[in-house]
Amino acid sequence: GAGVSQSPSNKVTEKGKDVELRCDPISGHTALYWYRQSLGQGLEFLIYFQGNSAPDKSGLPSDRFSAERTGGSVSTLTIQRTQQEDSAVYLCASSFAPPGELFFGEGSRLTVL
Amino acid sequence: KQEVTQIPAALSVPEGENLVLNCSFTDSAIYNLQWFRQDPGKGLTSLLLIQSSQREQTSGRLNASLDKSSGRSTLYIAASQPGDSATYLCAVITGNQFYFGTGTSLTVIP
Repeated sequence: GAGVSQSPSNKVTEKGKDVELRCDPISGHTALYWYRQSLGQGLEFLIYFQGNSAPDKSGLPSDRFSAERTGGSVSTLTIQRTQQEDSAVYLCASSFAPPGELFFGEGSRLTVL
Repeated sequence: KQEVTQIPAALSVPEGENLVLNCSFTDSAIYNLQWFRQDPGKGLTSLLLIQSSQREQTSGRLNASLDKSSGRSTLYIAASQPGDSATYLCAVITGNQFYFGTGTSLTVIP
């Protein structure tokens, strides 16, 4: 596609439910990043995928968070048993590798009630 | 660990003024530096990418400079317009990681 596409753009869920957020990177980009941005805060790194290499999961805040990338393209971030502190905007970005110019999607705003 | 700082945190200027946003980083062993803007409720939009071998990049009214030895980058905006109002973030790339500053919130007053 022309840009990084994320869905859903908005998600409201109840505490304890599982959610899945999807990212479709720019075609040909081998690097894919997930970040979290809480209200008024900076970007928090979550996870990084590069080609077929093992992902860098060092930023995942707990074992309730996981992500996968299928076929080197689409990625899904899954949050299990959501908590109110998970409420944030989840941003996906992609680039050519080695890390070149980074392009972001519009984000998925998650609200946990 | 790389630390990125942006000063000031907020800036308000009248339309037409030229302005400079600052970005500093602690580890000079960077690969690239990238400037973004973020509008409220939106993702980040790439403005300029400066590779480590470059000193500056220009795009329209924007000019970004990079001084690796001093750990600094500046984003110069000429003839500011109300449409330039946004948060501006810089990010340095070390290895495979992007390290972001917390941004400068710019308001251009008509």
